[in-house]
Amino acid sequence: KNQVEQSPQSLIILEGKNCTLQCNYTVSPFSNLRWYKQDTGRGPVSLTIMTFSENTKSNGRYTATLDADTKQSSLHITASQLSDSASYICVAWGGSSTLGRLYFGRGTQLTVWP
Amino acid sequence: DAGVIQSPRHEVTEMGQEVTLRCKPISGHNSLFWYRQTMMRGLELLIYFNNNVPIDDSGMPEDRFSAKMPNASFSTLKIQPSEPRDSAVYFCASSFWSGADGYTFGSGTRLTVV
Repeated sequence: KNQVEQSPQSLIILEGKNCTLQCNYTVSPFSNLRWYKQDTGRGPVSLTIMTFSENTKSNGRYTATLDADTKQSSLHITASQLSDSASYICVAWGGSSTLGRLYFGRGTQLTVWP
Repeated sequence: DAGVIQSPRHEVTEMGQEVTLRCKPISGHNSLFWYRQTMMRGLELLIYFNNNVPIDDSGMPEDRFSAKMPNASFSTLKIQPSEPRDSAVYFCASSFWSGADGYTFGSGTRLTVV
């Protein structure tokens, strides 16, 4: 069964601290994996997209890693800011680049406290 | 570019009424997707169009839901009659082709059926 599992479900950290969010996927055939940030009341916004051949990709303070062998990905946030409070959604693309679909995780709700 | 534009942002309606959600995709994108997001189920794909033609509507929950895309710059999602269990946030997203290389989501319409 194609699915994406994220952990933890929620996380609270203090401003300035680092954190790592986890994602496990069982999507086949696997094409790429992306992380989205969703602020309250807004639509998801793409942070990173990685193909199966990429191990890491950064976007400012966000660094995503991908291990296609173990089907795991992580999103590391460095020096967290209050504005990082949001839901982070891991999404796997299953299929070819022309025919496939997205499989969404349920998200990790991150809260950054001052 | 104004991004994907959805309207209304919020809709409160009584059970049994017809509800119409609207979406304007990013100019030049040729694929459009309708998603529903709830706390219990996360993001679910309802239907997607490619070049204004519905490609996959297997996610549409039942006959009360219908979607149209009369031209490349406009799509509607209609619920008739609406029920309280339809309460959710409905997102529209657009992309080039299948979306394997990335999506852009709108800000969503929060629907409440009382």
